Amino acid sequence: NAGVTQTPKFRVLKTGQSMTLLCAQDMNHEYMYWYRQDPGMGLRLIHYSVGEGTTAKGEVPDGYNVSRLKKQNFLLGLESAAPSQTSVYFCASSYSTGSVEQYFGPGTRLTVT
Amino acid sequence: GESVGLHLPTLSVQEGDNSIINCAYSNSASDYFIWYKQESGKGPQFIIDIRSNMDKRQGQRVTVLLNKTVKHLSLQIAATQPGDSAVYFCAENSGGSNYKLTFGKGTLLTVNP
Repeated sequence: NAGVTQTPKFRVLKTGQSMTLLCAQDMNHEYMYWYRQDPGMGLRLIHYSVGEGTTAKGEVPDGYNVSRLKKQNFLLGLESAAPSQTSVYFCASSYSTGSVEQYFGPGTRLTVT
Repeated sequence: GESVGLHLPTLSVQEGDNSIINCAYSNSASDYFIWYKQESGKGPQFIIDIRSNMDKRQGQRVTVLLNKTVKHLSLQIAATQPGDSAVYFCAENSGGSNYKLTFGKGTLLTVNP
């Protein structure tokens, strides 16, 4: 199993540009998450999904949109990138019941200039 | 809102010593407390969790202690090895749900050979 994979690994955007980050998992997990991690800070939840076709806002959802059209994929979109969105983005997935263990991808480093 | 915090941002130990990483939490409604390890350039990796009705849980070379009276969580690593060098995050499930986690800011553990 590949686990959780993220595409791309690195990206540089100019202010106002848009992009989509792709997350894929092959563990048949129901739940998927997007976090951002900034220097000296822990992970903050952006959006999450408890199943195919469902999404919900996390702690810091502004400026981001998500979609979960297929169970194995969770997309994070930035419609108009801002320098404040410079961060490392992590995707994670987990089983729906019985465990709080989340499986994380390797991260995407995004720089907005 | 309520958040999870850490006492020490950095910890340096000698190889073979025991390490203790501390965490303070403030959400009394959390059911689970979790420790994650993040090596440089990688996504966080689950280490161990403890349910709120427990005081202690042991894993392989790790022990988590929970003191609900003072809202304190600690991770003990026995016989610390160079491979244990990483940032360690504590987390709690927000609002009692199994899937929404709130992370602390992290402690950097450095193991000196």
